[in-house]
Amino acid sequence: GENVEQHPSTLSVQEGDSAVIKCTYSDSASNYFPWYKQELGKGPQLIIDIRSNVGEKKDQRIAVTLNKTAKHFSLHITETQPEDSAVYFCAANWVGAGGFKTIFGAGTRLFVKA
Amino acid sequence: GAVVSQHPSRVICKSGTSVKIECRSLDFQATTMFWYRQFPKQSLMLMATSNEGSKATYEQGVEKDKFLINHASLTLSTLTVTSAHPEDSSFYICSARVVVGDTEAFFGQGTRLTVV
Repeated sequence: GENVEQHPSTLSVQEGDSAVIKCTYSDSASNYFPWYKQELGKGPQLIIDIRSNVGEKKDQRIAVTLNKTAKHFSLHITETQPEDSAVYFCAANWVGAGGFKTIFGAGTRLFVKA
Repeated sequence: GAVVSQHPSRVICKSGTSVKIECRSLDFQATTMFWYRQFPKQSLMLMATSNEGSKATYEQGVEKDKFLINHASLTLSTLTVTSAHPEDSSFYICSARVVVGDTEAFFGQGTRLTVV
């Protein structure tokens, strides 16, 4: 079945360093890849997304890259700050015969040490 | 981005009672809403997909008589946990998808349900 693998499960970085989270998806029909940030006790918040016709997208300190051939996409956070500490989820979405589907990765707990 | 409002954010109820959780899309119409359950330190588990005006589609293993979903309008879906038990305690999250063509979905704030 469809699957999204996310690594690492936990990531600890020093403030100011970069953080990279990687995901791999299995279904080649996936065409939309959002990244969510979830703080404790809150719902996921969309922070950046990328569509299958684009290879890279950047928004200030956050960037996402997509390699369709390898079915990989990654989240890059530069100049990390303590407030970046949260759980990050990747997801792969598509619209197929069965309707709209989303598969989430298992999540990455990011700790940014001051 | 679009705003999805979920209420209540926290609820405590006694075993055997029912609890209703509301999910509203505030500034857009959502033909499809999704209900997720999240256990501590785990990812989101899709429970059901709710389409306006029709019956919800439940994922395998989710009891539809236990988790009643109603999507009566393009801006409101409700999840009712019936005859709640302590094992139903969890974090429930809804998301809503915009009307036509878009694959984006926006999440509510989540509801922490505790059954005592």
